[in-house]
Amino acid sequence: QVQLVEAGGSLVKPGGSLRLSCAASGFTFSDHYMSWIRQAPGKGLEWISYISSKDNTLYYADSVQGRFTISRDNAKNSLYLEMNSLRAEDTAVYYCARGQYSGSYYDYWGQGTLVTVSS
Amino acid sequence: DIQMTQSPASLSASVGDRVTITCRPGQNIYTYLNWYQQKPRKAPKLLIFAASNLQSGVPSRFSGSGSGTDFTLTISSLQPEDFATYYCQQSYSFPETFGQGTKVEIK
Repeated sequence: QVQLVEAGGSLVKPGGSLRLSCAASGFTFSDHYMSWIRQAPGKGLEWISYISSKDNTLYYADSVQGRFTISRDNAKNSLYLEMNSLRAEDTAVYYCARGQYSGSYYDYWGQGTLVTVSS
Repeated sequence: DIQMTQSPASLSASVGDRVTITCRPGQNIYTYLNWYQQKPRKAPKLLIFAASNLQSGVPSRFSGSGSGTDFTLTISSLQPEDFATYYCQQSYSFPETFGQGTKVEIK
């Protein structure tokens, strides 16, 4: 069955860095685009970054552009999010989500990993 | 960026009620509109994709309609397990954007 498992969330100081990972299983990872979507405590969903399945087309939300970097390793069935210059407003649960090209939607989500930015 | 205006922000309803949630994007997004359900401390779950297509395994009491700038999610007969927060999302252009959510509570 399809599984997405995020890891790497923790407490980090403002200005610090963190790398999240998302391990995919149960499907052909290289057939799907992937995104990171976050949710601040008590708030709604915010899409933050996209990576295409094979040609490394990337998109970022303005809120993270220049600070976060999305990447993937299709050989390892893994998605990553490198986060630098972290701010308090980056505190959120970070979800990885599998995209479907035919229809443009996210049909599977991981359970999320919590990133807390605080001194 | 395409702003997604979802209404109402919250509603109270009883089991068996028909519930309608509206989502209005700030520009024409054709049918690039998806609906998700989220329960507390859980990941979102896809309900409807491309405006009106029911995701596999989702009960048929959920339906979606609309195109362009006016979309609706309908729950035909609310069940206890449907009390949750619902989000619309546009996938027409980047940055992808979500509505602010509609919390469906028990009356």
